[in-house]
Amino acid sequence: KAGVTQTPRYLIKTRGQQVTLSCSPISGHRSVSWYQQTPGQGLQFLFEYFSETQRNKGNFPGRFSGRQFSNSRSEMNVSTLELGDSALYLCASSLALAGGPDTGELFFGEGSRLTVL
Amino acid sequence: QKEVEQNSGPLSVPEGAIASLNCTYSDRGSQSFFWYRQYSGKSPELIMSIYSNGDKEDGRFTAQLNKASQYVSLLIRDSQPSDSATYLCAVMDSSASKIIFGSGTRLSIRP
Repeated sequence: KAGVTQTPRYLIKTRGQQVTLSCSPISGHRSVSWYQQTPGQGLQFLFEYFSETQRNKGNFPGRFSGRQFSNSRSEMNVSTLELGDSALYLCASSLALAGGPDTGELFFGEGSRLTVL
Repeated sequence: QKEVEQNSGPLSVPEGAIASLNCTYSDRGSQSFFWYRQYSGKSPELIMSIYSNGDKEDGRFTAQLNKASQYVSLLIRDSQPSDSATYLCAVMDSSASKIIFGSGTRLSIRP
């Protein structure tokens, strides 16, 4: 069974540009969560999608947005990039975040490492 | 106040000993708790999940949960050098749509 796939793995952007990151969850997983990981802040929750609906959002500015498609694939977008957006962006999929056994068990992709110059 | 708190370490444990990692959380409505291991340069991987008070054992790993004290712990028996990693405690919040991670405890197993 294929794992969570994130693309691109590495990217370099300049301040003011925008970026779109993609995530393909494990087949059958309907919940997709996004996290930002930096050395100073650790893993910070960005948002969670289930069945194309954003169910929760972390404390990030509106420049950070996302969406989920009917096949559960998800994208996140960061507009007007700032130097502080340099981070590893991790996507994680789950069968569901509520109901039944294995609730909330996240499976992470390898991440997209964004560098903003 | 941080929602999930862990001692950042590093925690140094001799090979073969028991490593004990601790975590506290603030959301009393939380029902699901997890431990992830993250090797340097890699993504977090799930090693244990626990949903009810008490102990849950899986091989060399034992997770302990005390909801009244809002406390989760992970014990690693017979520690091996390959256990050297950062261990992240994670808690599903009461909305059941958000999993919050602690900042992680760096564990080092010395031969």
